[in-house]
Amino acid sequence: ILNVEQSPQSLHVQEGDSTNFTCSFPSSNFYALHWYRWETAKSPEALFVMTLNGDEKKKGRISATLNTKEGYSYLYIKGSQPEDSATYLCAPQGSSNTGKLIFGQGTTLQVKP
Amino acid sequence: NAGVTQTPKFQVLKTGQSMTLQCAQDMNHEYMSWYRQDPGMGLRLIHYSVGAGITDQGEVPNGYNVSRSTTEDFPLRLLSAAPSQTSVYFCASSKGQGYSGNTIYFGEGSWLTVV
Repeated sequence: ILNVEQSPQSLHVQEGDSTNFTCSFPSSNFYALHWYRWETAKSPEALFVMTLNGDEKKKGRISATLNTKEGYSYLYIKGSQPEDSATYLCAPQGSSNTGKLIFGQGTTLQVKP
Repeated sequence: NAGVTQTPKFQVLKTGQSMTLQCAQDMNHEYMSWYRQDPGMGLRLIHYSVGAGITDQGEVPNGYNVSRSTTEDFPLRLLSAAPSQTSVYFCASSKGQGYSGNTIYFGEGSWLTVV
């Protein structure tokens, strides 16, 4: 089972601030890295699935980078808005089996208007 | 397109009772999983399945049973409910091997309280 660490555990920012979180994982046996956005009382929503070292993906104001050699991924939010408030989960995939994905504890973002 | 459907959405059980959380997907996905979510713990994998007839344990399997008799359905059984099983349960599914960067699709969650 992969050991996944996300930091910080929680984050409070003002509307308009840009922010970033880190997901650290073992660099061996890497297959893919998943980022999910999860709002309370809703189901987790897929943001990105990244597979290649140096991958950079973007979705609106949210972007992510991947470094498989050193075992980390960054998630960036530019110009945070209150609707960005959620928990952001990462899950490294150590095999082709997405059925046994192990998630990090998440970073909970609160954006104040 | 229903995606991943979980029932019931809310349930209150007494300690010692048994129940089954139902999960069905209509996307012909091979992989299905059950997770539980507890405050400060993120999502923890209970059991997963890579296809009909094949299941395996995740991080926190104790107290739960699963079976996968069809591709579509993956029920989670609580054999004798305990207060420690009070949680929110999510079912998830994804395509099988051969697909790089599979997206996992989650159900809407089942809120279970054991008193």
